[in-house]
Amino acid sequence: AQSVTQLDSQVPVFEEAPVELRCNYSSSVSVYLFWYVQYPNQGLQLLLKYLSGSTLVKGINGFEAEFNKSQTSFHLRKPSVHISDTAEYFCAVSDGDDMRFGAGTRLTVKP
Amino acid sequence: EAGVAQSPRYKIIEKRQSVAFWCNPISGHATLYWYQQILGQGPKLLIQFQNNGVVDDSQLPKDRFSAERLKGVDSTLKIQPAKLEDSAVYLCASSLGGTAYEQYFGPGTRLTVT
Repeated sequence: AQSVTQLDSQVPVFEEAPVELRCNYSSSVSVYLFWYVQYPNQGLQLLLKYLSGSTLVKGINGFEAEFNKSQTSFHLRKPSVHISDTAEYFCAVSDGDDMRFGAGTRLTVKP
Repeated sequence: EAGVAQSPRYKIIEKRQSVAFWCNPISGHATLYWYQQILGQGPKLLIQFQNNGVVDDSQLPKDRFSAERLKGVDSTLKIQPAKLEDSAVYLCASSLGGTAYEQYFGPGTRLTVT
């Protein structure tokens, strides 16, 4: 079965600064990769996904992620964050049958 | 388009009591998921339905947890009897197909077992 490791549990950053949230996965088969965001007291919302094709994936709210097969990584980036980006971010991996989520990274954007 | 609905939003029970959660997925979504999210952790899949059949329940504690999906639409998740370690947020999600598809999540039910 596949697994996901989010390398940072908390990432504090100042408003308008760039941010990278790191995600590594392990799997013996081809995978689909996802980033979800969770705002307080809400369910998860899809930011972006990689199924196949271009390794650079663009999502909502100005986020993008790059699939790196050799490093088994799928890091999430945003060039300039806003206060409203403060939330919990989850990386997830699927082999088409089984989905696994990482433990999450809390992004805190400070003014 | 209406989202995934869940009720109740909050529930407090004593250990050894029973509790049930309800989920109404997005219309037309064949796949329904129940996740358990313990504070500070990512969601853990409890059970996955495809229409009204179970696809994966390998992580469901079957001695106390049960779930059903009637007529391939609404679903209920039950815990009987509850333990302290069941305190968590229970999330329901639905998708058009399997796990390669985007999952749409409900707001969750926060369960506190005292």
